[in-house]
Amino acid sequence: RKEVEQDPGPFNVPEGATVAFNCTYSNSASQSFFWYRQDCRKEPKLLMSVYSSGNEDGRFTAQLNRASQYISLLIRDSKLSDSATYLCVVKPAPGDSWGKFQFGAGTQVVVTP
Amino acid sequence: DTEVTQTPKHLVMGMTNKKSLKCEQHMGHRAMYWYKQKAKKPPELMFVYSYEKLSINESVPSRFSPECPNSSLLNLHLHALQPEDSALYLCASSQQGGNEKLFFGSGTQLSVL
Repeated sequence: RKEVEQDPGPFNVPEGATVAFNCTYSNSASQSFFWYRQDCRKEPKLLMSVYSSGNEDGRFTAQLNRASQYISLLIRDSKLSDSATYLCVVKPAPGDSWGKFQFGAGTQVVVTP
Repeated sequence: DTEVTQTPKHLVMGMTNKKSLKCEQHMGHRAMYWYKQKAKKPPELMFVYSYEKLSINESVPSRFSPECPNSSLLNLHLHALQPEDSALYLCASSQQGGNEKLFFGSGTQLSVL
């Protein structure tokens, strides 16, 4: 089983619609969680950190469910510019895995006019 | 200043060439990383420097040689590469301790002929 798993998509979303997708992680001791956005042939850019209480940044809402070991990202009122690959990144527990951030394979979102 | 600067943006090299990739950050981060990313795959960790010392080498072939001259700079020296080494090479940095998160440079798109 992979340490971090994501549905690769693509999620085809009409402009203005809402899309949500999850990321599961295998190590219950994982410490921190992040969503990054990556455009084709560009670097990953931090979209948001994910906190237990859930957090929102404009049209983006992230949730962490430690009991079921997944994080989610919801995008409301999708824009064409939201088309990208969304990477789930998990910082492992302190110890031997320090520095070894775990990446999901990415979820592709395509927003259509 | 939340930037990680990488040069060059694009590099084409022959298998007998020697070249270097450069990375610079001025965020006071004490951890710096090299990742390799192939198309439609997540970034793969190559090396991590912590306080200017190499702390992680993910069994990377010796034709890749990292160097950390000071806390702001990270280099990746390339020699006798193979065509399969063609990829996007990403530098990243992070704080250490607490809420570490990765900040990526824009990457070097490398083609080995």
